[in-house]
Amino acid sequence: EDKVVQSPLSLVVHEGDTVTLNCSYEVTNFRSLLWYKQEKKAPTFLFMLTSSGIEKKSGRLSSILDKKELSSILNITATQTGDSAIYLCAVPARLGGGADGLTFGKGTHLIIQP
Amino acid sequence: DTAVSQTPKYLVTQMGNDKSIKCEQNLGHDTMYWYKQDSKKFLKIMFSYNNKELIINETVPNRFSPKSPDKAHLNLHINSLELGDSAVYFCASSHTGTAPYEQYFGPGTRLTVT
Repeated sequence: EDKVVQSPLSLVVHEGDTVTLNCSYEVTNFRSLLWYKQEKKAPTFLFMLTSSGIEKKSGRLSSILDKKELSSILNITATQTGDSAIYLCAVPARLGGGADGLTFGKGTHLIIQP
Repeated sequence: DTAVSQTPKYLVTQMGNDKSIKCEQNLGHDTMYWYKQDSKKFLKIMFSYNNKELIINETVPNRFSPKSPDKAHLNLHINSLELGDSAVYFCASSHTGTAPYEQYFGPGTRLTVT
């Protein structure tokens, strides 16, 4: 069974700090790894990493995939209070031809204090 | 211009009742999903539909039945509601194909069974 483990489960830092969130995975047939941010409502898509795209960056957020170590990190620099959220890591789990459901980790609850 | 929408946003009902949650996407995606997020914020795939066919059917009770009238809609019907069904239910959609695609989530439906 595909598995995703995130650490830490919660993290409290001060505004301006840099944080690194971790995700490790076990999948039968790796195709991609996705990062989502969840505030009060729906998870919103951040990045998708694949064998051909192991680094992604958007503003203060960046993510790297390490296929050897079966892991990924999400970095946030110069954190702001608006970064407070649950960050979710997921991998597609293909159990039949066609569609992939996502297997999620338990998330990292990040709190940025002013 | 809502991409993935769900109705209702909140649903409070008594044990034993039957209820439905509706989902619509206007992204032109060919696959839709239902996820359940429990009180500990753990997101788990329930179903996916690709071109009106059920592709993944996780080990959920058969009281839950997804219905897709067309590619843009995926409704979730729940019979004989139980206390343990209380959760937030998210609909999502994506393209499918040989390349991996990200999934986009609706705002969620908070179901409370009393």
